[in-house]
Amino acid sequence: GAVVSQHPSRVICKSGTSVKIECRSLDFQATTMFWYRQFPKQSLMLMATSNEGSKATYEQGVEKDKFLINHASLTLSTLTVTSAHPEDSSFYICSAPLEGFSYEQYFGPGTRLTVT
Amino acid sequence: GDSVTQMEGPVTLSEEAFLTINCTYTATGYPSLFWYVQYPGEGLQLLLKATKADDKGSNKGFEATYRKETTSFHLEKGSVQVSDSAVYFCALRGSMGDMRFGAGTRLTVKP
Repeated sequence: GAVVSQHPSRVICKSGTSVKIECRSLDFQATTMFWYRQFPKQSLMLMATSNEGSKATYEQGVEKDKFLINHASLTLSTLTVTSAHPEDSSFYICSAPLEGFSYEQYFGPGTRLTVT
Repeated sequence: GDSVTQMEGPVTLSEEAFLTINCTYTATGYPSLFWYVQYPGEGLQLLLKATKADDKGSNKGFEATYRKETTSFHLEKGSVQVSDSAVYFCALRGSMGDMRFGAGTRLTVKP
């Protein structure tokens, strides 16, 4: 079945550095991918919609200059947390619909970011 | 905007007990509704879904019925097992394909 992968699964970085997280759709193409953030014991909050070939759409309150999204190809979207701070520590999850706006979303396993 | 309100947990049940996790939604139009499950250390998995009013989604003994009149999509299971221990998220699919999630309900089933 359709699978979405994320890399890395865990990353620890120092405050002030940048971290890139990759989201790949395996065996299917995704013109749209979604990035979510999940705080401990809380729900997933949509951060942005990644669009292949165009700029990402950010949710209100999400800093686009801090969370850079690049949808490089039909199977890859990247989220770069720039100048990371401890408050950026969180679980980041991406998802991709199987076909365009199909209601069948596939979620990646998530990336746990810890900023020290 | 679209939103989902979900019964807060945690919920602790004994094996073979009946489970209900309430979920209501606010949305324009007629969204698709979902329940996702997240087992410890794993990513989200789709548990069941319903795409229109009165549809019943079911999987692994879990059921939920899309109730337009009460804007609800409550999750039920007649007899829970220890292996059902996880966090359950109610969600709706927005008009642009994005998902809006409830807060999640942690279920612990004790033997």
